[in-house]
Amino acid sequence: EAGVTQFPSHSVIEKGQTVTLRCDPISGHDNLYWYRRVMGKEIKFLLHFVKESKQDESGMPNNRFLAERTGGTYSTLKVQPAELEDSGVYFCASSQGRYNEQFFGPGTRLTVL
Amino acid sequence: DAKTTQPTSMDCAEGRAANLPCNHSTISGNEYVYWYRQIHSQGPQYIIHGLKNNETNEMASLIITEDRKSSTLILPHATLRDTAVYYCIVRAISSNDYKLSFGAGTTVTVRA
Repeated sequence: EAGVTQFPSHSVIEKGQTVTLRCDPISGHDNLYWYRRVMGKEIKFLLHFVKESKQDESGMPNNRFLAERTGGTYSTLKVQPAELEDSGVYFCASSQGRYNEQFFGPGTRLTVL
Repeated sequence: DAKTTQPTSMDCAEGRAANLPCNHSTISGNEYVYWYRQIHSQGPQYIIHGLKNNETNEMASLIITEDRKSSTLILPHATLRDTAVYYCIVRAISSNDYKLSFGAGTTVTVRA
């Protein structure tokens, strides 16, 4: 069974540019989560999808971040425009049920210069 | 915000048991104790979880005190590949809050 995959693994962009991160959850997992760790800080929750619906987006830092999950399969997280403080590692996770263990992808390392 | 307290770091000898403590003195009746770990440059990995009974799986054992205010994750025979940051997380099951709240965790270094 394939795990959670994320693309790209690394991204280096200039401040002000746009970046889109992609996450493919484990097949059949309705629940999809985004987390991130910025430099020196703890891993923080960003948002949670159940199928294509946003269940909880309380962790989204501001309106420069837009997450979508069209069709309830893969998800994208767009940052527009990117700022220096957005640098960090963005993790995606999925779970079969709401309370089942979450399986994490390897993360996308984003560097904003 | 993390509701748990863990030591910042600990060392363990390869082949020996690693006992990782966690305090969660404000845990509620509907909150489970979860353990995840993050090996360098990988995403967090689920290890085990429990409510009040001790639990064991192929990776580890979880011992929860009777008052549920603390727990211990036991890696029975630590290997070099177990070097990672270990996170103890409390999480309610009966609410609509599905997110994991990671704290600073315990950096475990397994030495040969």
